[in-house]
Amino acid sequence: DAKTTQPTSMDCAEGRAANLPCNHSTISGNEYVYWYRQIHSQGPQYIIHGLKNNETNEMASLIITEDRKSSTLILPHATLRDTAVYYCIARMEYGNKLVFGAGTILRVKS
Amino acid sequence: EAQVTQNPRYLITVTGKKLTVTCSQNMNHEYMSWYRQDPGLGLRQIYYSMNVEVTDKGDVPEGYKVSRKEKRNFPLILESPSPNQTSLYFCASSLWEARGTQYFGPGTRLTVL
Repeated sequence: DAKTTQPTSMDCAEGRAANLPCNHSTISGNEYVYWYRQIHSQGPQYIIHGLKNNETNEMASLIITEDRKSSTLILPHATLRDTAVYYCIARMEYGNKLVFGAGTILRVKS
Repeated sequence: EAQVTQNPRYLITVTGKKLTVTCSQNMNHEYMSWYRQDPGLGLRQIYYSMNVEVTDKGDVPEGYKVSRKEKRNFPLILESPSPNQTSLYFCASSLWEARGTQYFGPGTRLTVL
């Protein structure tokens, strides 16, 4: 699985969009980008994933650059409950494990 | 409600006393996995199972055993726990064809004295 790089931490004002970047410059053509988050020692929670096209679901949007070397997770209207560690993972669709890096600590502030 | 359950949620034990952490899912998932999480080391996979009676080692399997006799259950067994197994443990499950989209349990915090 390709290595991903994320900022250590970010702050976001409540109600504003949170944009979390992820660099995956060595991603291969058949590796997907997955995002998970972990709220204070709870089990990680799947958010979204994509291959080439931008994706949106009820939780977030995922924007993947055309060259696929980076992506951005967007939480459109961040709330205090979105404060968590966010993990960006590049993996093959049928891989047998998730490899979690250090992630980005997102702090949403009122 | 679709969920992964783990028991116990908290456990303090002593070195060498065998213990089992249970994991159960109600989503008819083929794939199940165990992770441990330690400060500075992140989440690491211990064992995984692709289906009943099929298990394989993850990145840190030493000191652990698993079994998969039923589809819904995937217990983690520590036959002789040691202090370096003090950690936060998570069980996860998914459909076989969607192994990137895993559902995690609430975690078991284990302390081995």
